[in-house]
Amino acid sequence: GENVEQHPSTLSVQEGDSAVIKCTYSDSASNYFPWYKQELGKGPQLIIDIRSNVGEKKDQRIAVTLNKTAKHFSLHITETQPEDSAVYFCAAMRGQGAQKLVFGQGTRLTINP
Amino acid sequence: GAVVSQHPSWVICKSGTSVKIECRSLDFQATTMFWYRQFPKQSLMLMATSNEGSKATYEQGVEKDKFLINHASLTLSTLTVTSAHPEDSSFYICSATGGVTEAFFGQGTRLTVV
Repeated sequence: GENVEQHPSTLSVQEGDSAVIKCTYSDSASNYFPWYKQELGKGPQLIIDIRSNVGEKKDQRIAVTLNKTAKHFSLHITETQPEDSAVYFCAAMRGQGAQKLVFGQGTRLTINP
Repeated sequence: GAVVSQHPSWVICKSGTSVKIECRSLDFQATTMFWYRQFPKQSLMLMATSNEGSKATYEQGVEKDKFLINHASLTLSTLTVTSAHPEDSSFYICSATGGVTEAFFGQGTRLTVV
């Protein structure tokens, strides 16, 4: 089955700097890769996703890159702000429709003012 | 994005009692709902997948008689923790999808069994 590894487990950056979180996956058939932000005591919120037919996707300060050959994808947050502090999870899924997401272990991002 | 409402957001119950958690899709028809459990500082662990009108599919190691899942309509799924014990204390999260790839998550329910 699919296995998703996420690094680092914790990340601390200065406000205004960039943050990068990386994930690798094992199943070459996986074709959907979402990123979620989870604040304390709340459910995960989708912030960006990418499908396997695309190499990069950007939404304002957030971008995701995908390398299918190497089976890894990354989340990039630029111009970080204190409100970006949260736990971020990557996930991978194969197939279409309502399939199971396999989550990474999570990264606790702290933005220092 | 679509809205998934989970209720209650927190609950405290006595050991041996049962607790029901509701997950509703407010603006789309959720053909499939997923239930997760999350321990502090850990990732989400999938417990079961439920499709509207059929029995839930449980992940290995999850007791189906302990965690009863009902998905009787396209907008509502419930998780009942039966005969709860302190070790069942956790953060339970549902997600719903209308058959497309994207899944939307509820706010989560913190269950504390005393």
